[in-house]
Amino acid sequence: QKEVEQNSGPLSVPEGAIASLNCTYSDRGSQSFFWYRQYSGKSPELIMFIYSNGDKEDGRFTAQLNKASQYVSLLIRDSQPSDSATYLCAVSTNAGKSTFGDGTTLTVKP
Amino acid sequence: ETGVTQTPRHLVMGMTNKKSLKCEQHLGHNAMYWYKQSAKKPLELMFVYSLEERVENNSVPSRFSPECPNSSHLFLHLHTLQPEDSALYLCASSQDYSTEAFFGQGTRLTVV
Repeated sequence: QKEVEQNSGPLSVPEGAIASLNCTYSDRGSQSFFWYRQYSGKSPELIMFIYSNGDKEDGRFTAQLNKASQYVSLLIRDSQPSDSATYLCAVSTNAGKSTFGDGTTLTVKP
Repeated sequence: ETGVTQTPRHLVMGMTNKKSLKCEQHLGHNAMYWYKQSAKKPLELMFVYSLEERVENNSVPSRFSPECPNSSHLFLHLHTLQPEDSALYLCASSQDYSTEAFFGQGTRLTVV
């Protein structure tokens, strides 16, 4: 089992729809959870982070964390073609161990 | 300059060459990282430095040698690389271990 698993892609949604990206992790000591967006040929950029159970909203993005289920998700509302990218889930422990998932490629069709 | 800066952006080297990648961060962060990203593969953490001390080394071949002379600079020295080492090498920094990382633009390395 991978330490961080993301739903297999590619994921394709129509413009204006909600895109749902999922991530599960195996280390119960994980404390910090991040979503990065990576456009093709570019480096990852942070879009959301979440530390506590529940939802965290930032504009069209909502991160959801459930530590009991070891699950973190990212919802993108009103998806735009510019949201088309690979989304990386990253999980860190306080001991400094940081692990990235394989990424899910999202395509938003006009 | 602000953020994380990597040089060079592109590098082509022969298997017998010695080269170095440079990373500089102007964010006042305490931790710096080297990642490798091969085509259609996930990010692989190579090295972690915290306050200039190496704290993690994920079984990286000795042909990759990191150096962190101060908290703002990180180098990756390369020697006798193999073609399979061709990849995008990303540097990142964070305030500490568990906070978000800021990535540089990467160095696209091709070993011929």
